[in-house]
Amino acid sequence: EVLLVQSGSEVKRPGESLKISCEGSGYSFTNYLIVWVRQTPGIGLEWMGFIYPVDSDTTYSPSFQGQVTISVDKSISTAYLQWSSLKASDTAMYYCARHITGNRTLDSWGQGTLVTVSS
Amino acid sequence: QSVLTQPPSASGTPGQRVTISCSGSSSNIASNTVNWYQQLPGTAPKLLISSNNQRPSGVPDRFSGSKSGTSASLAISGLQSDDEADYYCAAWDDSLNGWVFGGGTKLTVL
Repeated sequence: EVLLVQSGSEVKRPGESLKISCEGSGYSFTNYLIVWVRQTPGIGLEWMGFIYPVDSDTTYSPSFQGQVTISVDKSISTAYLQWSSLKASDTAMYYCARHITGNRTLDSWGQGTLVTVSS
Repeated sequence: QSVLTQPPSASGTPGQRVTISCSGSSSNIASNTVNWYQQLPGTAPKLLISSNNQRPSGVPDRFSGSKSGTSASLAISGLQSDDEADYYCAAWDDSLNGWVFGGGTKLTVL
């Protein structure tokens, strides 16, 4: 069974840094892109960026370029999403998802990590 | 505003058939396949339909998808109370070089 397990909820202050994780299991982790998606009540689902675990090649959505960093440690089948300086507007649910290249489908999703940024 | 346009809400009674539309453009729906996701309250999106009309293993055949030009539709027949959820369409966008999503449709079973 394909599983993506994300790290737990976080509550942070504006200006703090944060790194959340997404561990894949039940499949060959390096063969599939990992995509990060943000969900907010007002905007809905937004693609943030993706990473190819085999070589760490990363692509960012223009909306998130420079705002976050996506990385991976293929030795432990884990992808990361990090912020160097959080803003209140980063408050959202964040999902990682596995991408099937052939039909460009996000077929399996993590359970989500709720990030709350508040002073 | 989401790149793909969905009605914010839909409703039906048990046993009815309901359709949810998704409108896009030449750079996304017209050029690439459409996926549909079901999101139950408090859970992650779950793949319901891939490649316009393919059901992953375990998805009942009450759910079906179609695409024509720059639009796609999700149909749910034999509506059940368990179908109450948010439904999202998604597609790759060649201009953005990434995924775009609909704003979601909240389905209520009356």
